[in-house]
Amino acid sequence: GIQVEQSPPDLILQEGANSTLRCNFSDSVNNLQWFHQNPWGQLINLFYIPSGTKQNGRLSATTVATERYSLLYISSSQTTDSGVYFCAVDTGGFKTIFGAGTRLFVKA
Amino acid sequence: GAGVSQTPSNKVTEKGKYVELRCDPISGHTALYWYRQSLGQGPEFLIYFQGTGAADDSGLPNDRFFAVRPEGSVSTLKIQRTERGDSAVYLCASSPLGQETQYFGPGTRLLVL
Repeated sequence: GIQVEQSPPDLILQEGANSTLRCNFSDSVNNLQWFHQNPWGQLINLFYIPSGTKQNGRLSATTVATERYSLLYISSSQTTDSGVYFCAVDTGGFKTIFGAGTRLFVKA
Repeated sequence: GAGVSQTPSNKVTEKGKYVELRCDPISGHTALYWYRQSLGQGPEFLIYFQGTGAADDSGLPNDRFFAVRPEGSVSTLKIQRTERGDSAVYLCASSPLGQETQYFGPGTRLLVL
């Protein structure tokens, strides 16, 4: 089945810094989503982005489907950005495959 | 409006017992997903419903796990003869039609002693 790899696995930032999280996938995908899991375990959808670029406030995402990767940009990071960021894909069915996540800690 | 809700929020049971976990999706969402998340890992797909039918149950680990959605709204995940390895957070998500943004519930934390 499709493999989803996220990097880096862990990231520590000083508040105000920018960062880029990467998601590589091993096969063509029909859909790609980015999620944030907060320290209390709640998963929040950030972007539904099978291709192209989207922006929402300090966050933006780009998916290059032909090269099988997606990037999540976080600008001017805040302590509330801490948590785990997941990339999730499906290949045309409904089985959604999650990566292992990037664990982000933003220091005040 | 109300989001996805899951009950109970926590469940402690003994090895060998039967448990039921409930998911109430967002009203009007026809697609419903169940996932299992172990500590330090990403969610693992279990089953997908479109309406009342299970369109993909390929993620259910074995025949001790079963899920239903009889009226196309509320879903119940049923685990028979629980094992310690079943301990995890069980997450439910819904989406309007499927293959779109998924909205997750808070999860049920299951601990099998």
